[in-house]
Amino acid sequence: DQQVKQNSPSLSVQEGRISILNCDYTNSMFDYFLWYKKYPAEGPTFLISISSIKDKNEDGRFTVFLNKSAKHLSLHIVPSQPGDSAVYFCAASVYDKVIFGPGTSLSVIP
Amino acid sequence: KAGVTQTPRYLIKTRGQQVTLSCSPISGHRSVSWYQQTPGQGLQFLFEYFSETQRNKGNFPGRFSGRQFSNSRSEMNVSTLELGDSALYLCASSTGQPSYNEQFFGPGTRLTVL
Repeated sequence: DQQVKQNSPSLSVQEGRISILNCDYTNSMFDYFLWYKKYPAEGPTFLISISSIKDKNEDGRFTVFLNKSAKHLSLHIVPSQPGDSAVYFCAASVYDKVIFGPGTSLSVIP
Repeated sequence: KAGVTQTPRYLIKTRGQQVTLSCSPISGHRSVSWYQQTPGQGLQFLFEYFSETQRNKGNFPGRFSGRQFSNSRSEMNVSTLELGDSALYLCASSTGQPSYNEQFFGPGTRLTVL
């Protein structure tokens, strides 16, 4: 049973537009959420995170929103750039456990 | 600060053989986690070691094992390799502090089983 779900395996967006990547989780005990980005032939790199006591966290072009009642979080990238094309993994953490979602492949079209 | 290193980067083995992968975490990090990545399956958690003890374990068969040394370096072993074990194996290190677990990943070891 997948505790962290990313239901869109892929997403295509025009350069300059907004990219919205979604993530759903089932375990209400998760108290920290993270997004990672992965380019081919490289390991994932940390992008942005949010604590369960917040509902929004911004870092430059990247904003993560958390809706605890819906057990849903989303990553917004504005404006999208071709260099953002990568696989994005959502991850949820409770105490010393981290569970990753299956990833969404984002393609930003110039 | 040096990043997470993994050796070897690429490996080709045949069915039935065994393999050992190595991971050196960031200096000062005591937690090392191992993941298997296959197309469409995302990052499947194998196990985590913290201060030389296995702290968490995923749902993989006993053919997959690991260990951590006193300097936090970790090894992962897969015995009796199967074709389905072909994957990218990623190692990640962190401080291991609860409820905040930003992990730093290595570049991975690409294992191909023929």
